[in-house]
Amino acid sequence: QKEVEQNSGPLSVPEGAIASLNCTYSDRGSQSFFWYRQYSGKSPELIMSIYSNGDKEDGRFTAQLNKASQYVSLLIRDSQPSDSATYLCAGERGFGNEKLTFGTGTRLTIIP
Amino acid sequence: NAGVTQTPKFRILKIGQSMTLQCAQDMNHNYMYWYRQDPGMGLKLIYYSVGAGITDKGEVPNGYNVSRSTTEDFPLRLELAAPSQTSVYFCASSLDRNHYEQYFGPGTRLTVT
Repeated sequence: QKEVEQNSGPLSVPEGAIASLNCTYSDRGSQSFFWYRQYSGKSPELIMSIYSNGDKEDGRFTAQLNKASQYVSLLIRDSQPSDSATYLCAGERGFGNEKLTFGTGTRLTIIP
Repeated sequence: NAGVTQTPKFRILKIGQSMTLQCAQDMNHNYMYWYRQDPGMGLKLIYYSVGAGITDKGEVPNGYNVSRSTTEDFPLRLELAAPSQTSVYFCASSLDRNHYEQYFGPGTRLTVT
């Protein structure tokens, strides 16, 4: 089983709708999770960090963490064409491990 | 702050040649990482460093070498380039063991023919 799993998509969402991206993880020791956005041909860009159970909102983005069910999600409200990108979920490996485990990414397309 | 910088942006190597990919950060981060990303695939960790003079292997270290003589610089050396090393290489850094957020450089696109 992969440590961090994402649906590779592609996921198509109409402009103005909510895009929902999901990620599951296997390491119960993982405490912190991150969402990166990667435009085609560019490097990953950190957009959200979440460290505790519940929701964390930043503008149009909301990250959700459920440690009991071992999933992380990213909601993008009022989706814009500029949100079209691949979204990578990453989790720290726990117990002071300095590395992140990355999922393979979900490709999101916002349809005008 | 320039953040994480990488040079070159693009490079074409012939099989058997060697080269060094440069990475530097000006954020005073202790941890630095090298990843490769093949088309449509996720990030694979090649090597990482938790401080000057300390390096360790990641998932795919074969064919690569690193050194970390200063906090700022973390070069990646490719010896005897092979077509399987055609990829995009990203360098990243994070502050310390209590701050896991990694910040990425713009990448180097390498083709080995």
